[in-house]
Amino acid sequence: SQTIHQWPATLVQPVGSPLSLECTVEGTSNPNLYWYRQAAGRGLQLLFYSVGIGQISSEVPQNLSASRPQDRQFILSSKKLLLSDSGFYLCAWKEGRQNQPQHFGDGTRLSIL
Amino acid sequence: LAKTTQPISMDSYEGQEVNITCSHNNIATNDYITWYQQFPSQGPRFIIQGYKTKVTNEVASLFIPADRKSSTLSLPRVSLSDTAVYYCLVGDYDYKLSFGAGTTVTVRA
Repeated sequence: SQTIHQWPATLVQPVGSPLSLECTVEGTSNPNLYWYRQAAGRGLQLLFYSVGIGQISSEVPQNLSASRPQDRQFILSSKKLLLSDSGFYLCAWKEGRQNQPQHFGDGTRLSIL
Repeated sequence: LAKTTQPISMDSYEGQEVNITCSHNNIATNDYITWYQQFPSQGPRFIIQGYKTKVTNEVASLFIPADRKSSTLSLPRVSLSDTAVYYCLVGDYDYKLSFGAGTTVTVRA
């Protein structure tokens, strides 16, 4: 069966520091991968998605970037964090076939001080 | 992506059936309807997906009328552990989902 791993589960970072959140998927090949952010009490906002290695599409221009160095690895990064980057970050995957649901990781709670 | 409208909150009691209706008037021909459940500090969990008529799995049923402009998620005999936020999404899911605020379902003893 397929599994998705996100780490760390929680992270506290000072303003201006760099960020690297990692997501890996097991048990599938060539998945679509996604990064979302969720503000408190709100729905999920899609940040980036990828349909293959090195292929990244950005949905919202901001202080963040994403990379996919391997088929089942998706990384969310920032060079200098802002207070507004605080939130709950979720990684998701889906099979490349159409009309398959996305499956989410357990998320990373990021607090910027 | 088709916009969805669902109630902000619903209250229920243990053992009752909970029905959450979602409106999606501009659903496209290729769009599917998917429901997720989310607990605090966890990622959304896939519940059920359908295209038309009725779909049932071990946890829920999804009713979709012929015009597909709405759908109803039915949770039979809810328990306290079903207290969560439920999201209705519509799209072809090739690339991206648009999550609204969802419906907060509170189950009381």
